[in-house]
Amino acid sequence: DTGVSQNPRHKITKRGQNVTFRCDPISEHNRLYWYRQTLGQGPEFLTYFQNEAQLEKSRLLSDRFSAERPKGSFSTLEIQRTEQGDSAMYLCASRAYTEAFFGQGTRLTVV
Amino acid sequence: AQTVTQSQPEMSVQEAETVTLSCTYDTSESNYYLFWYKQPPSRQMILVIRQEAYKQQNATENRFSVNFQKAAKSFSLKISDSQLGDTAMYFCAYTTSGTYKYIFGTGTRLKVLA
Repeated sequence: DTGVSQNPRHKITKRGQNVTFRCDPISEHNRLYWYRQTLGQGPEFLTYFQNEAQLEKSRLLSDRFSAERPKGSFSTLEIQRTEQGDSAMYLCASRAYTEAFFGQGTRLTVV
Repeated sequence: AQTVTQSQPEMSVQEAETVTLSCTYDTSESNYYLFWYKQPPSRQMILVIRQEAYKQQNATENRFSVNFQKAAKSFSLKISDSQLGDTAMYFCAYTTSGTYKYIFGTGTRLKVLA
């Protein structure tokens, strides 16, 4: 399968715990995005990488959120001290030209 | 600010009928791209159709076509011969060649009825 892969698919965590998600983009795509999607809403932009450089972070991304893309390959999104408001689907997408390809997402539930 | 608006939260259509989903956007850019993405329940988002703003001809992909009205900043999706598998959330999205962010609308939940 050469699509965008995200792990884990589901994560349940207790409030205050740290969580880390992984995204493996399509191999030849140099652009990688993280989005957050809450129920009934469209995806909201969180952050963007071109190769290993993080070029923009949304104001939605508080200090508790950090993302990396070492060597311009896979990416991780870490949330520290999770809050119930962090419960959402976290989507990763990669892009070479104009079309973005999405992964299946990681659904985070903070209890 | 660039925004995408989908004013129809939910729609339904009988199998084999035609349905049109609406989308409007706001931008000051001249070179941009518009997309319709489909998100089936519990499945990943996939591209349905895309339109380059510089192209006057409306894009078509099999049963899917768009009505792109650049001056009105309108980008509607027409689904012909609706099938049960078309049941999904549909998102209208915008991006420009000079930037990198996709901006999504809030989505339209389409249900195809047997």
